[in-house]
Amino acid sequence: EAGVAQSPRYKIIEKRQSVAFWCNPISGHATLYWYQQILGQGPKLLIQFQNNGVVDDSQLPKDRFSAERLKGVDSTLKIQPAKLEDSAVYLCASSQPWGRSYNEQFFGPGTRLTVL
Amino acid sequence: AQSVTQPDIHITVSEGASLELRCNYSYGATPYLFWYVQSPGQGLQLLLKYFSGDTLVQGIKGFEAEFKRSQSSFNLRKPSVHWSDAAEYFCAVGAYPSGGSYIPTFGRGTSLIVHP
Repeated sequence: EAGVAQSPRYKIIEKRQSVAFWCNPISGHATLYWYQQILGQGPKLLIQFQNNGVVDDSQLPKDRFSAERLKGVDSTLKIQPAKLEDSAVYLCASSQPWGRSYNEQFFGPGTRLTVL
Repeated sequence: AQSVTQPDIHITVSEGASLELRCNYSYGATPYLFWYVQSPGQGLQLLLKYFSGDTLVQGIKGFEAEFKRSQSSFNLRKPSVHWSDAAEYFCAVGAYPSGGSYIPTFGRGTSLIVHP
């Protein structure tokens, strides 16, 4: 079974530039999560999708962050414009809300963003 | 809303010694409980999980955790630590706040340092 795929793995941009991250969840996983992990901290949930609908985006800075999950499979997370404090690892995870692995999250390798 | 506390930022143990990492949560009912491990530059890997039933849970890599409802704790243990266990460990809870959708929350993590 293929895992969660993310790209790019690393990205360096100047502040005020835009950036986009891509995530492909495990096949068949209905729930997809985007997390921001700042160095030395735990992952913070930015947005959670169930199929292509948003379940929770209460911690997403909506003035600069956006995310979509068209067709309920792949997802993109965009930052526009980026700030220095957006430097972090962006993790994507997926899960099934039923079955043996109920709500068990499978994580991708993450995208490390550096904003200069 | 639920919350997770990992009171120890760093734990240092000698190889072969026993290990206990602490995790306390705040939630009105019994949440779903998880421990994840993150090696440098990697995504998070699930070690074990508790949903219900036996309060002593066995996981991968020789780890176990015990759910104690009276203490709102879910501490992770290993009887003999190996140098390869050096990593960041995250406790997470998942719950249905206000009867809504399932929302996961992570602790800030505990960094495990293993001395030879």
